[in-house]
Amino acid sequence: AQSVAQPEDQVNVAEGNPLTVKCTYSVSGNPYLFWYVQYPNRGLQFLLKYITGDNLVKGSYGFEAEFNKSQTSFHLKKPSALVSDSALYFCAVYGNNRLAFGKGNQVVVIP
Amino acid sequence: SAVISQKPSRDICQRGTSLTIQCQVDSQVTMMFWYRQQPGQSLTLIATANQGSEATYESGFVIDKFPISRPNLTFSTLTVSNMSPEDSSIYLCSVDIAKNIQYFGAGTRLSVL
Repeated sequence: AQSVAQPEDQVNVAEGNPLTVKCTYSVSGNPYLFWYVQYPNRGLQFLLKYITGDNLVKGSYGFEAEFNKSQTSFHLKKPSALVSDSALYFCAVYGNNRLAFGKGNQVVVIP
Repeated sequence: SAVISQKPSRDICQRGTSLTIQCQVDSQVTMMFWYRQQPGQSLTLIATANQGSEATYESGFVIDKFPISRPNLTFSTLTVSNMSPEDSSIYLCSVDIAKNIQYFGAGTRLSVL
């Protein structure tokens, strides 16, 4: 069965510094990978996806993610974090007609 | 994308009662999903609801506890039956619009006393 791992519970970063949220995946066949963000008291919002093509995927709010097949990773990045980026971030992989989510990473951007 | 409305947004319920959560989409969709997000946890898929057929439940979830209706292509309900404090969670519906991207409602925050 497909799965993703998000090894860190919380990521703290100073405003203006680069932000990285890590994700590794396990799936048979070609991976369909996603990042979602959840702000307090809100549902999940789609950020970006990798299906095929360029390994660097650009998404909403200045986020991007790099697909690395050899390392089975799909880390989320943002060159310069904003305080408003503080939220819960979920990595997900698609397989068997469903999404499997990681446990989520709380990102705290410190002013 | 899609606009997904969930009602109620939150509720506080007594043990042993049932709550029905509604999910309305602004366009016709084939696949709708219901998830549970327990406090501090990730999302767990409860079931997939396709119009015109019985919902497909994931391991650990049963129809008697979480009956689902899908009367048309824009609407679904999830009922949490005979509630206990362990059912306190956020319940989210989502739809698969295109290319496997799921769009989510804002969720229903349920507390069971």
